[in-house]
Amino acid sequence: GAVVSQHPSRVICKSGTSVKIECRSLDFQATTMFWYRQFPKQSLMLMATSNEGSKATYEQGVEKDKFLINHASLTLSTLTVTSAHPEDSSFYICSARDVTGQGLYEQYFGPGTRLTVT
Amino acid sequence: QKEVEQDPGPLSVPEGAIVSLNCTYSNSAFQYFMWYRQYSRKGPELLMYTYSSGNKEDGRFTAQVDKSSKYISLFIRDSQPSDSATYLCAMSAQPGNQFYFGTGTSLTVIP
Repeated sequence: GAVVSQHPSRVICKSGTSVKIECRSLDFQATTMFWYRQFPKQSLMLMATSNEGSKATYEQGVEKDKFLINHASLTLSTLTVTSAHPEDSSFYICSARDVTGQGLYEQYFGPGTRLTVT
Repeated sequence: QKEVEQDPGPLSVPEGAIVSLNCTYSNSAFQYFMWYRQYSRKGPELLMYTYSSGNKEDGRFTAQVDKSSKYISLFIRDSQPSDSATYLCAMSAQPGNQFYFGTGTSLTVIP
């Protein structure tokens, strides 16, 4: 299957600083990528849909000025958590959409980034 | 009401047992149903992908969809310790569009 990478895998930052997380599709081009957040023992919650060359679409309740998304190329989307606070500590997972041989879409998930804000 | 309901468990079974994992949903527009396996501190990996109602089998895994009851299941036969993980169901109305995830069921297979 297709491979999606994320960097960094884990990051610790101080409250008030910004953190950038990268999501790359390694062997396919992804016009659409998704960013999820997962708190312990909870499901994945979609934060935003990232489309190459256009503005991201944010889910209700997600602050677009706090979670900046840039999808500058067909293989890279970035999520920047600005002015991070301890409540932003979570597991952030991206996925990239690819077309299967049957013409359907599939989402391939990255390994996730664990953010800890102290 | 949540879009997708899934019993979080935890579920603990002996090696070799048949495991049944289930999700219910409320949105009748869902047509694409997925099961993901997620190991601790890792991203989800796709196990099974089904469209509309019916069964799909892949090795020891069988996915069932009953759209009339808005109920989907994943069966694992001859469960192995390596199957120990969290299993998430996901569904969408259109392929590649927004996924709605269940909370995940934590499974432990005891050797």
